[in-house]
Amino acid sequence: AQSVTQLDSHVSVSEGTPVLLRCNYSSSYSPSLFWYVQHPNKGLQLLLKYTSAATLVKGINGFEAEFKKSETSFHLTKPSAHMSDAAEYFCVVSRSGYALNFGKGTSLLVTP
Amino acid sequence: GAVVSQHPSWVICKSGTSVKIECRSLDFQATTMFWYRQFPKQSLMLMATSNEGSKATYEQGVEKDKFLINHASLTLSTLTVTSAHPEDSSFYICSARDSGGGEVKQYFGPGTRLTVL
Repeated sequence: AQSVTQLDSHVSVSEGTPVLLRCNYSSSYSPSLFWYVQHPNKGLQLLLKYTSAATLVKGINGFEAEFKKSETSFHLTKPSAHMSDAAEYFCVVSRSGYALNFGKGTSLLVTP
Repeated sequence: GAVVSQHPSWVICKSGTSVKIECRSLDFQATTMFWYRQFPKQSLMLMATSNEGSKATYEQGVEKDKFLINHASLTLSTLTVTSAHPEDSSFYICSARDSGGGEVKQYFGPGTRLTVL
């Protein structure tokens, strides 16, 4: 079965400092992995996705993630946080039939 | 980019009534749509996979007689919460799979907030 574990339920960073949101996956085959962001009272937005091409995936708004098979990880990073990055972030793995299994989410707080 | 709409965006109903939520793909055809539920401050949980022209596939623990899904056309899937109760209050989100153009993409609707009094 395909699943993801987000290691932190809350992450707090200062504006301008790096962001690291951690995600480990479990999959019986080569997975498709995604990061989605959900701002308050807004819909889900796809940040980036990994589909067995390049292991370093660049997404929107300066985010990127690196697929590490040896560590079964797919951590999300950003060099410099903006206030507008404050939101809920979900690590997601695709399962058969293209349905998605969501992690529990990490709430990112950005302080001035 | 492709757009998926949901209607209504929010609904308040009395306990025991039924509520229908629509999910539409606006500029592509979606043979498969998915329905998710998100309780406050929790993650999204897949409820069912909706296939155009056939019966929906429900996840374990989801009552198919309570959450009726109809996918009668390539651009519309509906979720009906029958005899709603307060514990059904949640954020319901649909997604639609666009397999045109070779690459499979999935787009999420903005969600429907259901409050059952």
